[in-house]
Amino acid sequence: KQEVTQIPAALSVPEGENLVLNCSFTDSAIYNLQWFRQDPGKGLTSLLLIQSSQREQTSGRLNASLDKSSGRSTLYIAASQPGDSATYLCAAPNTDKLIFGTGTRLQVFP
Amino acid sequence: AAGVIQSPRHLIKEKRETATLKCYPIPRHDTVYWYQQGPGQDPQFLISFYEKMQSDKGSIPDRFSAQQFSDYHSELNMSSLELGDSALYFCASSLGQLGRGGGTEAFFGQGTRLTVV
Repeated sequence: KQEVTQIPAALSVPEGENLVLNCSFTDSAIYNLQWFRQDPGKGLTSLLLIQSSQREQTSGRLNASLDKSSGRSTLYIAASQPGDSATYLCAAPNTDKLIFGTGTRLQVFP
Repeated sequence: AAGVIQSPRHLIKEKRETATLKCYPIPRHDTVYWYQQGPGQDPQFLISFYEKMQSDKGSIPDRFSAQQFSDYHSELNMSSLELGDSALYFCASSLGQLGRGGGTEAFFGQGTRLTVV
């Protein structure tokens, strides 16, 4: 059974810092892993999909890495901005569903 | 670009009433997923459909049922509503099935906020 955990649970940083969010999964037999952003009370926005054959995937200031052998993925946010404040969730596929981590709640203050 | 459309966006029901949530997937997407998210919790998988057939089932109460129609839209029917059913309900869609290989990416709708009073 796939289990996904994320650390830290919450993070508060000043604007401009580079951040690393961590995601761990127990079943390494995954085809890909997705990172999402969720604003309070809003929907889930897909940020990055990283395939099992890739080691990294980049979109703007975001970079995700995937290490299947160790069951880990990281989301790197460069030069953080107040607009980045949100909850970030990673999700791993398991049969025909996504299993979500508990999320990292990020606050970037000016 | 077209996204996943959910309706209604907000719904208020009384205990023991029935609710129907609708989901319209991205055009050409053949797989639909339903999730429930309580306050401060991560999304919990309820059920999924691929090509109009149920493909996976999670912690969906027996009071809930769902189906995917010929035009690929899906409906989640919730009966005998309880206070604990109050949550955000998300629908997601993908082209192909997650966990079956390939570059399948799931896209989520904005959700339906159900409040049971």
